[in-house]
Amino acid sequence: QPRLQESGPGRVQPSETLSLSCSLSRDSTGSNSFFWGWIRQAPGKGLEWIGSMSSSGRTFYNPSLQSRISMSVDTAENHCSLRLSSVTAADTAVYYCAINTLLLKYYFDYWGQGALVTVSS
Amino acid sequence: SYDLTQPSSVSVSPGQTASITCSGEGLGGKYVSWYQLKPGQSPLLVIFEDNKRPSGIPERFSGSNSGNTATLTISGTQALDEADFYCQAWDNGGAIFGGRTKLTVL
Repeated sequence: QPRLQESGPGRVQPSETLSLSCSLSRDSTGSNSFFWGWIRQAPGKGLEWIGSMSSSGRTFYNPSLQSRISMSVDTAENHCSLRLSSVTAADTAVYYCAINTLLLKYYFDYWGQGALVTVSS
Repeated sequence: SYDLTQPSSVSVSPGQTASITCSGEGLGGKYVSWYQLKPGQSPLLVIFEDNKRPSGIPERFSGSNSGNTATLTISGTQALDEADFYCQAWDNGGAIFGGRTKLTVL
């Protein structure tokens, strides 16, 4: 069973760029091709999709965040990164990394524990 | 933009059946997934492609999707099923989540 672990700064200053990483580990060998996604949950709010990216590099971004988002995937290292620029307090949230192990983009079958990011000076 | 609408809360007695709906224009033509989220835990996929259960998800969880409404049904609801539930679909190049439904078992 794949395990995902997000890592990030914990706190980011307003107007700066948030960078998050997600590492995938698992017990068995197999394909390194997945569909990766980032989803966040602001305090007291529901889940919000940020973006998705295939191992081949195809990206899909939330239109409301598209101008500030950049995702990358390192297939060899089973690693995915998210950058969100010009952050404000509204970007304070738990950020989840998730994957689809069948290379399907329309659902996420494994999720990380989440990384809390607070935007504050 | 495409919206998915869920009830904010659903209450059910232990052992009874809980139904959580998710509504969206033409939703029956899209695949719907359902996630369970408990405090301090990561979201758990309980239904994908409208009605399929991932390995390890109890049979009491089932799903359907037709017309404009998808439904997550939990039969024989247990206290441990109390959680927030989210539906999700893919539309026009992006994932859409419904608003949270808090399931209370009392």
